[in-house]
Amino acid sequence: ILNVEQSPQSLHVQEGDSTNFTCSFPSSNFYALHWYRWETAKSPEALFVMTLNGDEKKKGRISATLNTKEGYSYLYIKGSQPEDSATYLCASTLYSGGGADGLTFGKGTHLIIQP
Amino acid sequence: NAGVMQNPRHLVRRRGQEARLRCSPMKGHSHVYWYRQLPEEGLKFMVYLQKENIIDESGMPKERFSAEFPKEGPSILRIQQVVRGDSAAYFCASSLGQVRSYNSPLHFGNGTRLTVT
Repeated sequence: ILNVEQSPQSLHVQEGDSTNFTCSFPSSNFYALHWYRWETAKSPEALFVMTLNGDEKKKGRISATLNTKEGYSYLYIKGSQPEDSATYLCASTLYSGGGADGLTFGKGTHLIIQP
Repeated sequence: NAGVMQNPRHLVRRRGQEARLRCSPMKGHSHVYWYRQLPEEGLKFMVYLQKENIIDESGMPKERFSAEFPKEGPSILRIQQVVRGDSAAYFCASSLGQVRSYNSPLHFGNGTRLTVT
């Protein structure tokens, strides 16, 4: 993998159901994996930053896991609510050293919670 | 503690004019990033700056685009002689430290929507 890939591109989930989606990234030269939530008409908001293989982070009903050896992260939402509707972005550091320190973003998973 | 401030929110320029986009990072943040979002595309990295220094401009077109983050004042992204293809949303973000650190997420501004007519 040479880029950050997210799947699925979009997802419709019934209110109350749990869901998860995937972020894949290059496992070489890995430093950090970020998750952001981007609601319509707002700016992206940070959810998690993970750096260690096996990391698990949780914020309320949202949690994330990280596997740096195989290059993937999962984001889980338990008991989806309408306010969870947003685009979820993941981003990774694809470069190392030399000051090349920007995050590369995936295209996002657009989540729609249906009442 | 004010967040990342970008202005203007909307900017309309005719082809050939210059566009100047401003970004004031969160208080205490010295790392600034510019991203561009083209229609139907994700966020694309353009440039990473620290005070008075361009650290990485690998995502920025070589011609017509420049960025600065002076000792005093906001970071500026300048686009000279704009063309229709420059129409996009430009987002600025700042962080406390390098984004490879567990405690340095990006904090985004609300973006500047540039329309070139």
